[in-house]
Amino acid sequence: ENVLTQSPGTLSLSPGERATLSCRASQSVSGSFLAWYQQKPGQAPRLLIYGASTRATGIPDRFSGSGSGTDFTLTISRLEPEDFAVYYCQQYGSSPMYTFGQGTKLEIK
Amino acid sequence: QVQLQESGPGLVKPSETLSLTCTVSGGSISSYYWSWIRQPAGKGLEWIGRMSASGSTNYNPSLKSRITMSLDTSKNLFSLKLSSLTAADTAVYYCAKVSGSWFDPWGQGTLVTVSS
Repeated sequence: ENVLTQSPGTLSLSPGERATLSCRASQSVSGSFLAWYQQKPGQAPRLLIYGASTRATGIPDRFSGSGSGTDFTLTISRLEPEDFAVYYCQQYGSSPMYTFGQGTKLEIK
Repeated sequence: QVQLQESGPGLVKPSETLSLTCTVSGGSISSYYWSWIRQPAGKGLEWIGRMSASGSTNYNPSLKSRITMSLDTSKNLFSLKLSSLTAADTAVYYCAKVSGSWFDPWGQGTLVTVSS
């Protein structure tokens, strides 16, 4: 199983600041098979990024994804109040098998 | 656009079988793969399995022996059965459409509690 490790566990920032979230895989991931989600309390996860760097429909351009191999990053260029949430990365691998990272909580400082 | 809605019992007894249904609206279930994902309270996400309209299934190896997924194209819904329940199966269960290698959209989720 390809284990995804997200860091940091919690990130405390202020609105307007830049957020950088990391997702590291234990085995190489094809860039096409890495996605990011945002989850707010009491809600289902929402797709933000797929294919490592493609924004999903309706996602603001302050969200961007990058990376390849085993290291991937989600960047939020300027935080808005509605961006404070938990973020998960997810990969698709052979078998087939889907795995998620444990999440990064982005909280208001 | 496609919308998904989970339904099922909120409370199930240990050792029993959980049955959940996901109704799809705004699009046909006869395309794509469809998945179940769960999330224990305060914890992360765990993929349970996926099913195609043709009947092909893939399950998480950690749950495989207890899972059955099915699909009803006439009713545009798909279902999950999870047997031999324990307290560790208490979670919010989501259904989702599999688009490529990602999940979008998701249902709102349904809380299942395993307790006597």
